Amino acid sequence: AQSVTQPDIHITVSEGASLELRCNYSYGATPYLFWYVQSPGQGLQLLLKYFSGDTLVQGIKGFEAEFKRSQSSFNLRKPSVHWSDAAEYFCAVALVQGAQKLVFGQGTRLTINP
Amino acid sequence: DGGITQSPKYLFRKEGQNVTLSCEQNLNHDAMYWYRQDPGQGLRLIYYSQIVNDFQKGDIAEGYSVSREKKESFPLTVTSAQKNPTAFYLCASSISQGDQPQHFGDGTRLSIL
Repeated sequence: AQSVTQPDIHITVSEGASLELRCNYSYGATPYLFWYVQSPGQGLQLLLKYFSGDTLVQGIKGFEAEFKRSQSSFNLRKPSVHWSDAAEYFCAVALVQGAQKLVFGQGTRLTINP
Repeated sequence: DGGITQSPKYLFRKEGQNVTLSCEQNLNHDAMYWYRQDPGQGLRLIYYSQIVNDFQKGDIAEGYSVSREKKESFPLTVTSAQKNPTAFYLCASSISQGDQPQHFGDGTRLSIL
């Protein structure tokens, strides 16, 4: 079955430290890949997406993600986190473009220590 | 500024009661979606609409109904047939059916009295 896994339910990092959030998928073909962020009590915001081409994708708010076909991964990174980055992060994949086929991971909650 | 407005922010339902969640967008987007979010889980698609007067079931449509009479509006009704309605409901939109959700509302939290 097609699935998306975010292995870390909760991550805590110090302000200014680097961040990497993991996302793995199990699909036969290379899917379309997305990262969303959700602040408490709010909707989701699209951070970045990968469809094809360069495997290192730049997004908003200083985030980037790297697609690694050999590892079936699409990890999200940021060199230096800010307190405002505290939120829930969701990885999502789709085999075809179109939201009706979008599958979300369980989410990773990020806490920032001052 | 354009965006998606969901109302109310909090909603309480009595047993056997239908409730309707409102979703309005002023982005002129063709496609609209309803997702359900439960603690510790990702979003699951309830219904989506690619164009006015047309909508399709998502992965968990049982116990829910929708309508799309106007481009800007996509209300969701949680019927009494939905036995576990307590959740956070998110409405989203995209420019066309071929795009991923680009804008989300701030959600409605539904609880059972």
